[in-house]
Amino acid sequence: DTEVTQTPKHLVMGMTNKKSLKCEQHMGHRAMYWYKQKAKKPPELMFVYSYEKLSINESVPSRFSPECPNSSLLNLHLHALQPEDSALYLCASSQPYVGVGRELFFGEGSRLTVL
Amino acid sequence: GENVEQHPSTLSVQEGDSAVIKCTYSDSASNYFPWYKQELGKRPQLIIDIRSNVGEKKDQRIAVTLNKTAKHFSLHITETQPEDSAVYFCAAFDEKLTFGTGTRLTIIP
Repeated sequence: DTEVTQTPKHLVMGMTNKKSLKCEQHMGHRAMYWYKQKAKKPPELMFVYSYEKLSINESVPSRFSPECPNSSLLNLHLHALQPEDSALYLCASSQPYVGVGRELFFGEGSRLTVL
Repeated sequence: GENVEQHPSTLSVQEGDSAVIKCTYSDSASNYFPWYKQELGKRPQLIIDIRSNVGEKKDQRIAVTLNKTAKHFSLHITETQPEDSAVYFCAAFDEKLTFGTGTRLTIIP
């Protein structure tokens, strides 16, 4: 199984809503990532979890709250988002210390629209 | 932090011709350089990668070259086919992966 599964595929929410994005992998990877991708732009790193501990937070606003309940699951909790937060949110996983033979695997993404 | 520049932003080539995409990076500590292909509405997928102690790597029609001294690396696609049409991202890794700005490659049948 070389898949990273993300749910939901599409999400529309109002600025006062609370929602969550979910990500799951069963490749035994111990590093998991959240990226944000706007149209025609590269993925931008938001958070990195390594061995279930938050290791990188790229100064992301607190309205985005990550959670790693176990080594296979990664959540992104969303609250009080702004319309400019509309984007494709990509989850990825890898072995720790990315490199040749330890590539990043991306999920298909959750497309978020904030009204 | 790392800064990765990528050129060109768009590239159109005739089917069967070669395509070259170039990237430069700023952080000499970066040691891993993957290339990702992203088709419309799909996830980025790794197509080839190279370590900093290797100058060139080839996989069928795709090759990557790395000049560590000059801090630049390139993707070469030979005998291009319509299914090569996509957005290609280079990236550099030093503690985290930083992506280039992307190249939209269009193969003209």
